[in-house]
Amino acid sequence: TQLLEQSPQFLSIQEGENLTVYCNSSSVFSSLQWYRQEPGEGPVLLVTVVTGGEVKKLKRLTFQFGDARKDSSLHITAAQPGDTGLYLCAGDLGGKLIFGQGTELSVKP
Amino acid sequence: DAGVIQSPRHEVTEMGQEVTLRCKPISGHNSLFWYRQTMMRGLELLIYFNNNVPIDDSGMPEDRFSAKMPNASFSTLKIQPSEPRDSAVYFCASSFGLGLNNEQFFGPGTRLTVL
Repeated sequence: TQLLEQSPQFLSIQEGENLTVYCNSSSVFSSLQWYRQEPGEGPVLLVTVVTGGEVKKLKRLTFQFGDARKDSSLHITAAQPGDTGLYLCAGDLGGKLIFGQGTELSVKP
Repeated sequence: DAGVIQSPRHEVTEMGQEVTLRCKPISGHNSLFWYRQTMMRGLELLIYFNNNVPIDDSGMPEDRFSAKMPNASFSTLKIQPSEPRDSAVYFCASSFGLGLNNEQFFGPGTRLTVL
């Protein structure tokens, strides 16, 4: 059983579409991070959210931390082929990072 | 900036053999993490060090796994003897310190295949 459940696991969309990826847990996290991983490489940090209800924007990406700090979402507007990759959420639990299984996103031109 | 360096990038070995994975953290970083990534279990923390001292090895799956950090610029993860279920991508990451205020930078990983 994963402490952090991500959905969907796989997502294939056309360029220009919008999408939302979810990261849910029954546990409360002091903070949560989102990473993007490309094939053959390690994950790269996109954002850290700390406060319940917090919203952060990174160009076309919008990240939200749930009010109860148990869940988070990543919304991409007008997806581009360059957004293709594995998106991972990770929660801080006692100083250690716990990762979700990831969402494999494919954006077709 | 060279980033976190891992070697080898790919390792293929037979069951029962000893495997040693190597990591050079980013210069100046004093925290180092070893992760394992598989399709079934995702990305899991195995062990982490702070100032070359192991802090938490609760993620190390079995006694067959061991990790050392003899100095601030080098760490190894050893599997002896290796088993097919150890096949995975192993990542090393480093940061300036512990806690989410200190971003972890990941290496490119070592893809291990145990036949």
